[in-house]
Amino acid sequence: QKEVEQDPGPLSVPEGAIVSLNCTYSNSAFQYFMWYRQYSRKGPELLMYTYSSGNKEDGRFTAQVDKSSKYISLFIRDSQPSDSATYLCAMKGSFGSQGNLIFGKGTKLSVKP
Amino acid sequence: DVKVTQSSRYLVKRTGEKVFLECVQDMDHENMFWYRQDPGLGLRLIYFSYDVKMKEKGDIPEGYSVSREKKERFSLILESASTNQTSMYLCASSAQGLDYGYTFGSGTRLTVV
Repeated sequence: QKEVEQDPGPLSVPEGAIVSLNCTYSNSAFQYFMWYRQYSRKGPELLMYTYSSGNKEDGRFTAQVDKSSKYISLFIRDSQPSDSATYLCAMKGSFGSQGNLIFGKGTKLSVKP
Repeated sequence: DVKVTQSSRYLVKRTGEKVFLECVQDMDHENMFWYRQDPGLGLRLIYFSYDVKMKEKGDIPEGYSVSREKKERFSLILESASTNQTSMYLCASSAQGLDYGYTFGSGTRLTVV
């Protein structure tokens, strides 16, 4: 079983839709959870960061972590064509430099006008 | 604006050539990473470094080496380029002791012919 699983998509939605992106993981030691957004031919950029369980909201974006189910989600409300990108989940277990980020393979999202 | 700068956006090299990919960060980060990204395979860690003159192998170090002579600079070296090293190469950095994720460069698209 891979440490982090993420559906690669592609996912195509109409403008204004609510988008749900998800990752599952197997390592119960993971405590730090992140979502990166990567536009075509660019490097990933950090979008959301969450520690342990719970929700975090930033504008149209909400990150959820359910440690009991080893499941994380990113919700995008009122999706825009500018949200079209690949979204990568990432997580790590230890504080500080030890323990590198483990990435999902990314979900490609297309928001159609 | 903090930055990770990769020296080339696009590079075409011949099989057997020695190739240098340069990465410079201006955030005084201790940690630096080199990844390659391929469709369907996601991000794969090649090498990383937690300090100057320090390096550790990632998941796919074969055919690569690295150099970190200064804190801000982390170089990836392809000793003898091969066609299967055609890929997008991404450099990233992070602070030690803080878990704010990685900052990525824009990537170098390397084609080996």
